[in-house]
Amino acid sequence: DAMVIQNPRYQVTQFGKPVTLSCSQTLNHNVMYWYQQKSSQAPKLLFHYYDKDFNNEADTPDNFQSRRPNTSFCFLDIRSPGLGDAAMYLCATSRSPGENQPQHFGDGTRLSIL
Amino acid sequence: GQQVMQIPQYQHVQEGEDFTTYCNSSTTLSNIQWYKQRPGGHPVFLIQLVKSGEVKKQKRLTFQFGEAKKNSSLHITATQTTDVGTYFCAAPGYSSASKIIFGSGTRLSIRP
Repeated sequence: DAMVIQNPRYQVTQFGKPVTLSCSQTLNHNVMYWYQQKSSQAPKLLFHYYDKDFNNEADTPDNFQSRRPNTSFCFLDIRSPGLGDAAMYLCATSRSPGENQPQHFGDGTRLSIL
Repeated sequence: GQQVMQIPQYQHVQEGEDFTTYCNSSTTLSNIQWYKQRPGGHPVFLIQLVKSGEVKKQKRLTFQFGEAKKNSSLHITATQTTDVGTYFCAAPGYSSASKIIFGSGTRLSIRP
């Protein structure tokens, strides 16, 4: 089945130690998104790619970076994780950047900071 | 920034009772989407509404889009334990058609 796959499901890192989360998709969708979701809150968009075009949200900290080397893969890099970065990170895709496109989410990576 | 208000924040019902969550925007929306997130899970797309006054049904779920396209509701008839989760509405972002802004969500819990 076509899907969005996130690895790992759980990630533990140390305060200040860089960490990379990965996302892959077999849907061949043009757009890939990264969200941060904290407990009892809605997903918060960090950035998204339309093909190779990167779109950063204005309030996304510089500590968060992303790479999309090809259509199928997208990475979230957290350069110096702080305690406040502990959260669920969700990757999603949509077929095209036009409106009316449902988003398909992966299972998420839960990041813990020691 | 752009906000989509959703109420209530929590709803605890007896199994078999109905449930409704409401979503409101200060601006006219071109469309609205609804997602369900089970505990420990990820958001799953339920439906999209586009037309003014549109009503769509999925079994026990009824979705409505207001005439002014500024509000929407999700109504579940005769809730079941499988309905447990958080329901989010989501509206297109101002600055980009490719992104959506999630409402704050309504968490539904059910007493068996």
